[in-house]
Amino acid sequence: QSALTQPASVSGSPGQSITISCTGTSSDVGRYDLVSWYQQYPGKAPKVMIYKVTERPSGVSHRFSGSKSGNTASLTISGLQAEDEADYYCCSYAGRRTDDYVFGTGTKVTVL
Amino acid sequence: QVYLVESGGGVVQPGRSLRLSCAASGFTFGSYDMHWVRQAPGKGLEWVAVISYDRTSTFYADSVKGRFTVSRDNSKNTLYLQMDSLRVDDSGTYFCARVLATYSLDHWGQGTLVIVSS
Repeated sequence: QSALTQPASVSGSPGQSITISCTGTSSDVGRYDLVSWYQQYPGKAPKVMIYKVTERPSGVSHRFSGSKSGNTASLTISGLQAEDEADYYCCSYAGRRTDDYVFGTGTKVTVL
Repeated sequence: QVYLVESGGGVVQPGRSLRLSCAASGFTFGSYDMHWVRQAPGKGLEWVAVISYDRTSTFYADSVKGRFTVSRDNSKNTLYLQMDSLRVDDSGTYFCARVLATYSLDHWGQGTLVIVSS
């Protein structure tokens, strides 16, 4: 199972909106509405920001939203803030065959 | 408060073994599937393995299948990862994580570092 494809980096100015794409296949992203997104600061554990494509855990800012079309999922951060500068990873359930879950390659978000 | 604390990492030579532990507290450990996820230095996250809440099912990434074994002791609230035939590319930080019915990993440990080097 290959990693999901994400852009290596995305940047934006404070207040702007950015979108991170996550491209998989018909066996993972395209097959299941079970994509989650994780935020990770350097040296820290990941934190779930979005689950089941569009759902937001309690405590996560409404500025974070998710969507999916076909084999590609997306994470949008609206009203970009300095604290949003981090690495972001998508993750999809891939079925109980070989790899149960597959992560994306990761995207570094820079706030200009 | 949910806590997951990994331990057991260290420096080991290629071909040797290591066992990682993940001590859980603050929730009913025996009710949740648990995962191991690793991250090579400066690299992205890689899913490693999962074990069901009742130990009846385990699944592994192709990269570790046949070499790593995930297990758990629900009476001790502890998750394990037995790593045999270690390779240099197994080096990295190993995280344990709890998974919800929503298929999201909602709580993670702080990670334990494994370095495989001669």
